[in-house]
Amino acid sequence: NAGVMQNPRHLVRRRGQEARLRCSPMKGHSHVYWYRQLPEEGLKFMVYLQKENIIDESGMPKERFSAEFPKEGPSILRIQQVVRGDSAAYFCASSPLGQPSYNEQFFGPGTRLTVL
Amino acid sequence: DQQVKQNSPSLSVQEGRISILNCDYTNSMFDYFLWYKKYPAEGPTFLISISSIKDKNEDGRFTVFLNKSAKHLSLHIVPSQPGDSAVYFCAASLNTNAGKSTFGDGTTLTVKP
Repeated sequence: NAGVMQNPRHLVRRRGQEARLRCSPMKGHSHVYWYRQLPEEGLKFMVYLQKENIIDESGMPKERFSAEFPKEGPSILRIQQVVRGDSAAYFCASSPLGQPSYNEQFFGPGTRLTVL
Repeated sequence: DQQVKQNSPSLSVQEGRISILNCDYTNSMFDYFLWYKKYPAEGPTFLISISSIKDKNEDGRFTVFLNKSAKHLSLHIVPSQPGDSAVYFCAASLNTNAGKSTFGDGTTLTVKP
């Protein structure tokens, strides 16, 4: 049973370009979470999605960031017009259920975004 | 406003001794707490958890203690092994938040042989 997969593992973009990060949850998991980790900091929640629905996007910056989890295919985190401050590690996690809260989340290896 | 705090950025212990990692939280509504372990260039992996209705949970060498009145939890690793060297994240969640977790900034544990 493959774990959570993220690609690419490393992504380099120039300022103003778009970044697309992909996440395939574990088989049988229908809940996906995106987190961002800035250098020397912990993971910050960005968005929680179920298939075709955004459940909680309270951690998502209001502009330039969007996320989706279509009926078919991976979840996508899109960052438009990237800036240097977007450089970070972006982790995706999945769980079989969103509730109750004691469901542990299974994390992917992360995508390291570098904005030049 | 950081709701989950790990005040020690790093901890170094000798192999075979006890490692104690601490975590404080401010939101008394949190009802579930988890510890994750993270190696460089990998995603966090779940280690151990505790519900707010308990004050202790044990799994092999790992024990988590919860003190609700002090809003404090700790992870004990006994005996510590060099392979335990990693970053440890404390996380807290609200049942009503559908599994969304709030993470601390992590503590880097180094276990010296």
